[in-house]
Amino acid sequence: EPEVTQTPSHQVTQMGQEVILRCVPISNHLYFYWYRQILGQKVEFLVSFYNNEISEKSEIFDDQFSVERPDGSNFTLKIRSTKLEDSAMYFCASSQGRFNQPQHFGDGTRLSIL
Amino acid sequence: AQSVTQLDSHVSVSEGTPVLLRCNYSSSYSPSLFWYVQHPNKGLQLLLKYTSAATLVKGINGFEAEFKKSETSFHLTKPSAHMSDAAEYFCVVSGGGSQGNLIFGKGTKLSVKP
Repeated sequence: EPEVTQTPSHQVTQMGQEVILRCVPISNHLYFYWYRQILGQKVEFLVSFYNNEISEKSEIFDDQFSVERPDGSNFTLKIRSTKLEDSAMYFCASSQGRFNQPQHFGDGTRLSIL
Repeated sequence: AQSVTQLDSHVSVSEGTPVLLRCNYSSSYSPSLFWYVQHPNKGLQLLLKYTSAATLVKGINGFEAEFKKSETSFHLTKPSAHMSDAAEYFCVVSGGGSQGNLIFGKGTKLSVKP
């Protein structure tokens, strides 16, 4: 069964540095998403992406964050000037359609900011 | 606005006994509802989905859920728990309207005793 893959599985970064989290969505999916889960808290929506542009974003997704689909397979989340509170598990997901469609998740990247 | 409330943060059952994980939703729209499971150090796996077809939805691994509009509930059940069912379970509602994002409950950790 096709899967969403995320790399790295764990990223440790100094505060103030930039990080790029990488995802390879399922190949015939058209919609891509990033979510995050701070330890002990809910999974929260960050952003959705379709047709090479952001379709929705949450309040969390401020100017510090950006997403890109640099080629036909990868989907990346960049966090500029990381803060301690960015430490979380980041999940990438993809779906075939936008509304009422199940989203398929990767195993996540654990981001630790020191 | 859409939201879900998972009524129990932790449920413990004995192997072979029934499982009931409770979820109530709030929705301005006819909701799409999902249950996802997360095993330790793994991603979020879709168990089942409700998208306004049959109110009793069957999922993988013997799980099912019943959509009850009058009670705004979407409880997850399984007749007989297995040790491998120990995991965290998330009730999820779609954002609704023009929103394609998913809104997660806080999760219920299921423990299964031998």
